[in-house]
Amino acid sequence: AQSVTQLDSQVPVFEEAPVELRCNYSSSVSVYLFWYVQYPNQGLQLLLKYLSGSTLVKGINGFEAEFNKSQTSFHLRKPSVHISDTAEYFCALEGGGSQGNLIFGKGTKLSVKP
Amino acid sequence: KAGVTQTPRYLIKTRGQQVTLSCSPISGHRSVSWYQQTPGQGLQFLFEYFSETQRNKGNFPGRFSGRQFSNSRSEMNVSTLELGDSALYLCASSMGGAVNTEAFFGQGTRLTVV
Repeated sequence: AQSVTQLDSQVPVFEEAPVELRCNYSSSVSVYLFWYVQYPNQGLQLLLKYLSGSTLVKGINGFEAEFNKSQTSFHLRKPSVHISDTAEYFCALEGGGSQGNLIFGKGTKLSVKP
Repeated sequence: KAGVTQTPRYLIKTRGQQVTLSCSPISGHRSVSWYQQTPGQGLQFLFEYFSETQRNKGNFPGRFSGRQFSNSRSEMNVSTLELGDSALYLCASSMGGAVNTEAFFGQGTRLTVV
C-alpha cells in the first residue's frame, strides 16, 4: 500500500531563518510526488512536483525539494522564510496511476514568527 | 482563466438529511476529483471522474456518491448525513489525460452536520 508520512505536525520558525519540512513515502512502484500549500479557508496550491529527472526540484515562492529514492524522502526546504509563508503544507504522492488520486500526508503547520 | 468553482462555500445540515455539492472545473479539464478534509483524518480521496465515468474510488461508504456531466461539471452527494461527515470538501480538476498534468483545487465547501 502507498502512504505518506509527514514527520512534524507543527514547525515554528523565526522570519528569515531556513526551514525544512520532512516527508517520507512508501510505495512499491515508481512515484510522483508533490508539495501543496493551504492558507486558512483556502483550497490547496501546488508548490512543486517531482515526476522524473533531476532529484532537486524548484517550485514557487522560493521553495525547493529533494527526491531521495534510497531514503524514500521528499523534504521541502526554503533558505529564508517570510511571515507570509505561514500556512499548512501537504506532501502527496500519486496513487492509482492518476493525478486524480492523490494520497496526502497529515500536513505540517508552518508558523513564521517575527 | 477562471479557476475551480465550488458551490456552496458553506452549508449546515441536520443528521439524516442528504446534501449535494457542486464543482465546476477549469475550462478544458476533463478530470474532477473530490477529497474530504477533517482535522482527525486529514485529506482523504473520495473519487475521481473522467469523461463522465468514475475512474478511481477511495475507501468511503456508499452514502458518498458522485457524478460528472458532459460539460465536466461534477456533483457529489452524501445521503443520510452523520455528524462525522462534517468536513471541508475539496474538488480538484486536471486535464486528466496525462499523468503529469497539475491538479487545481477549489476553495472547498465546508459542511457542518448538526
